[in-house]
Amino acid sequence: ETGVTQSPTHLIKTRGQQVTLRCSSQSGHNTVSWYQQALGQGPQFIFQYYREEENGRGNFPPRFSGLQFPNYSSELNVNALELDDSALYLCASSPLVTGGEGYTFGSGTRLTVV
Amino acid sequence: DQQVKQNSPSLSVQEGRISILNCDYTNSMFDYFLWYKKYPAEGPTFLISISSIKDKNEDGRFTVFLNKSAKHLSLHIVPSQPGDSAVYFCAADKIGTASKLTFGTGTRLQVTL
Repeated sequence: ETGVTQSPTHLIKTRGQQVTLRCSSQSGHNTVSWYQQALGQGPQFIFQYYREEENGRGNFPPRFSGLQFPNYSSELNVNALELDDSALYLCASSPLVTGGEGYTFGSGTRLTVV
Repeated sequence: DQQVKQNSPSLSVQEGRISILNCDYTNSMFDYFLWYKKYPAEGPTFLISISSIKDKNEDGRFTVFLNKSAKHLSLHIVPSQPGDSAVYFCAADKIGTASKLTFGTGTRLQVTL
């Protein structure tokens, strides 16, 4: 049973650029959720994808967008990067849309915007 | 607005003693609460949960207590072990809807020998 893999592990981008982060879900999981964890804060819900559709969104602007693919892997795209977007981005897959106890988190992608 | 608060950023406990981590929430809509544990360079891992119809849930050395009237929950670890040293996050959710966890800011627990 493979876990959740996120890539890349680290990256540095310039303000105004665009970035794509990737997440492979755990085998048997059909739901992927993305969280942003700023320094010294807890993870904040960005959105959830189920059956390739967005299935809930947190308080993030439209320049944060995502995709889910038929194999349940997912991408998080952020356009027009701002300095405050610097954070650890966590992906979690789960077998159901409900029930945080079923979450398997990846190790995250550390994004630095300069 | 911080809907889930963990007011102690850090806690140090001796091995074998009890660790008590606290969490407060403000949103009455939350009816499901979870604790996650996070080691450096790893994602959070689920530890234990409790729904609002209970006031206590146990799993081995870990017990979570919920006081709905005070909007307060706590995680007890007995006995504490050095491997328990990690950051602990409290999270809240609403049952029956797409899971959308609201996390606290975390408490770093250090268990000393």
